[in-house]
Amino acid sequence: QKEVEQNSGPLSVPEGAIASLNCTYSDRGSQSFFWYRQYSGKSPELIMSIYSNGDKEDGRFTAQLNKASQYVSLLIRDSQPSDSATYLCAVRNQGGKLIFGQGTELSVKP
Amino acid sequence: EAGVAQSPRYKIIEKRQSVAFWCNPISGHATLYWYQQILGQGPKLLIQFQNNGVVDDSQLPKDRFSAERLKGVDSTLKIQPAKLEDSAVYLCASSPPREFWGEQYFGPGTRLTVT
Repeated sequence: QKEVEQNSGPLSVPEGAIASLNCTYSDRGSQSFFWYRQYSGKSPELIMSIYSNGDKEDGRFTAQLNKASQYVSLLIRDSQPSDSATYLCAVRNQGGKLIFGQGTELSVKP
Repeated sequence: EAGVAQSPRYKIIEKRQSVAFWCNPISGHATLYWYQQILGQGPKLLIQFQNNGVVDDSQLPKDRFSAERLKGVDSTLKIQPAKLEDSAVYLCASSPPREFWGEQYFGPGTRLTVT
């Protein structure tokens, strides 16, 4: 079992729709959770961090964390073509190491 | 605030040759990371420095990879000799104090092609 798992996609949504990206992790002691966005040919860019159960909103982005289910998600409202990228889920495990998932490719169609 | 700087941006070498990458982190960031990202995969941590000490190098192939951060600021990663499977993007990242280790800021990366 991978430490951090994501569906590789591609996930395709129409412009204006809600994109839902999911991530599960195996280390129950993990405390910190992050979403990075990576445009093709570019380096990852931190867009959201979440540390406690529940929802955290930042503009069009909402991160959701459920530690009991070991599940993290990212919702993107009013998706725009400029949101087309690979979204990496990253989890800081109990040992302090940041583990990345393989990423989910999102395509927003005009 | 200047971001993480890396050089070179691209490098093409033949197998068995050696190569070195350089990274300068964001000013004031004591923690520095080197990652390897193979196409279609997430970044994999190679080594983590706290100031000039190594925190984690468990996934660094030490028979061919080495890294140093002598003065606690910039860092170099070396591969000698390179293999075909080393073709990847090598990312350097830095982060603010310990409790925010997950909030990492990445440099532009070095794309290495081994032929």
